[in-house]
Amino acid sequence: ETGVTQTPRHLVMGMTNKKSLKCEQHLGHNAMYWYKQSAKKPLELMFVYSLEERVENNSVPSRFSPECPNSSHLFLHLHTLQPEDSALYLCASSQDRGHLNTEAFFGQGTRLTVV
Amino acid sequence: AQKITQTQPGMFVQEKEAVTLDCTYDTSDPSYGLFWYKQPSSGEMIFLIYQGSYDQQNATEGRYSLNFQKARKSANLVISASQLGDSAMYFCAMREAQETSGSRLTFGEGTQLTVNP
Repeated sequence: ETGVTQTPRHLVMGMTNKKSLKCEQHLGHNAMYWYKQSAKKPLELMFVYSLEERVENNSVPSRFSPECPNSSHLFLHLHTLQPEDSALYLCASSQDRGHLNTEAFFGQGTRLTVV
Repeated sequence: AQKITQTQPGMFVQEKEAVTLDCTYDTSDPSYGLFWYKQPSSGEMIFLIYQGSYDQQNATEGRYSLNFQKARKSANLVISASQLGDSAMYFCAMREAQETSGSRLTFGEGTQLTVNP
């Protein structure tokens, strides 16, 4: 079992649909993240949760709504998306101790296609 | 301004040879950490190696080593004895000490490495 698990792996949705991406970490970490990876662009940090509180929202449109019910689970609720939102959405977790060398552990991502 | 720059969109290397992937960074924070990740076609980002800004020696992890030149703000990844399984996207990333909350990483655009048999 991988440390960070994302479901579904692939998702195709219409612009009027509502769907959710799920992330679960089995590493006992206290911080979780959503990143967006578009073709030929750097990974974009979307949301950061530390100790289950959102500590960062990087100007993400409101059609993306995160939820962190506990330290092991992170959701990304999607509604009325646009075709340009098609991307690989990566979840990550880390043990946030304020140390520089803290590595982030990533899931395999959800490949989202908006039609 | 981009904080992490990877100038090589694609690199090719012959199996068993060494390859260097370039990374330059921009920060005014005297304390920072640099990371390299590998992303195979499966999508998962795999941590490879870490270098702290105050580390005196270049980091090494098996076949991976980091050529850290602080004055030039470069942190190039060297992969020795390339293997076919090394074919993947490689990302350089940085964490700055001022970013104390949430331990966020800033990534470069990546380099696609192809190892030829």
